[in-house]
Amino acid sequence: LAKTTQPISMDSYEGQEVNITCSHNNIATNDYITWYQQFPSQGPRFIIQGYKTKVTNEVASLFIPADRKSSTLSLPRVSLSDTAVYYCLVGVQGFQKLVFGTGTRLLVSP
Amino acid sequence: EAGVAQSPRYKIIEKRQSVAFWCNPISGHATLYWYQQILGQGPKLLIQFQNNGVVDDSQLPKDRFSAERLKGVDSTLKIQPAKLEDSAVYLCASSLVGGTNEKLFFGSGTQLSVL
Repeated sequence: LAKTTQPISMDSYEGQEVNITCSHNNIATNDYITWYQQFPSQGPRFIIQGYKTKVTNEVASLFIPADRKSSTLSLPRVSLSDTAVYYCLVGVQGFQKLVFGTGTRLLVSP
Repeated sequence: EAGVAQSPRYKIIEKRQSVAFWCNPISGHATLYWYQQILGQGPKLLIQFQNNGVVDDSQLPKDRFSAERLKGVDSTLKIQPAKLEDSAVYLCASSLVGGTNEKLFFGSGTQLSVL
């Protein structure tokens, strides 16, 4: 049973801003939203984590509305090296483990 | 800081053979995870250790898969006998304590091909 819903794929061009939205209707009250990035032949890598409103780091921004039933990962001015699969994970009440969905495949073209 | 180490990087075996994968987590991380990632899918948790005890192995095919974490540090995952559908990347990850809000650190994985 999937806990999050993301678009399967997205296309963009270098220099554009990319926004990937994830829906998580059954997020638990105390759980955070975490995003991972995975390049081919590598394990997933932590990008960003947030609980509410907005979080920003050197790589991305994470926007979370007040109801927390969705979140948006924002990648500013993407480059070819941002081509990867992006996973949205949330802790679900009653579960002790994080469940990966199928992720969003982002392809950045010149 | 050293990351999660896994070996071998690649493995090719025939069906019904056995295979073992090794993982060395980040020093001081109490929780260790083994994931299976089939091509085109997200990682699926096989087993989670807290120190040297099993926390969750609900998705581990116990008739053919086994895992251990000796002394709460290194871990091995074994498949015996292997089936064609076991072809996948096997990822090891570790985290400091094991809560769902914790950051997971992944190794580069072992790519298994079963012929």
